[in-house]
Amino acid sequence: SQQGEEDPQALSIQEGENATMNCSYKTSINNLQWYRQNSGRGLVHLILIRSNEREKHSGRLRVTLDTSKKSSSLLITASRAADTASYFCATDTGRRALTFGSGTRLQVQP
Amino acid sequence: DGGITQSPKYLFRKEGQNVTLSCEQNLNHDAMYWYRQDPGQGLRLIYYSQIVNDFQKGDIAEGYSVSREKKESFPLTVTSAQKNPTAFYLCASAPLQFGYSNEQFFGPGTRLTVL
Repeated sequence: SQQGEEDPQALSIQEGENATMNCSYKTSINNLQWYRQNSGRGLVHLILIRSNEREKHSGRLRVTLDTSKKSSSLLITASRAADTASYFCATDTGRRALTFGSGTRLQVQP
Repeated sequence: DGGITQSPKYLFRKEGQNVTLSCEQNLNHDAMYWYRQDPGQGLRLIYYSQIVNDFQKGDIAEGYSVSREKKESFPLTVTSAQKNPTAFYLCASAPLQFGYSNEQFFGPGTRLTVL
């Protein structure tokens, strides 16, 4: 199975609600990154959290990292229809290339 | 405008043909990557390069080849040996940092279909 696995695979919420996505991984990491992909497009980097950090914020995004549980979560607050996309976590395990998870498909209903 | 470009956006290949996907960046990044994405799936690493004239196989390199003759360019050839090449191909670049991977910047992707 993959190094990073997101949960849930799909999530549907109403505009204004918060969306939480989780990522679990297997081996130790240097950092963990979250990316967003609109349908049929390239990925866009959202946030990077280092292994010695526990929480990071960027606008409406909040990322947590628990290295003891080998897990991370991405919280999008006050979601908007424009947040509809797939979200991927990617781990840096020191092999000079990231390992991507299978993604969470988020649908925000207007 | 700084960025990373891929061409073509759509590509159709007949059985037995080799095709080459283009990836160019003007971000002055040392590292470049090729990924494959199948419907509803995550990204799988095909090849990556951290310096001109050097590249490494990723997790699914069989049936693919690359070159890195210039810092700005990292073309991917899908050979006839790749048995199931229909997929969405993404190229990315990143600044090289000793010891860890930086954020990657992605191109818009090339959708390859085998006829």
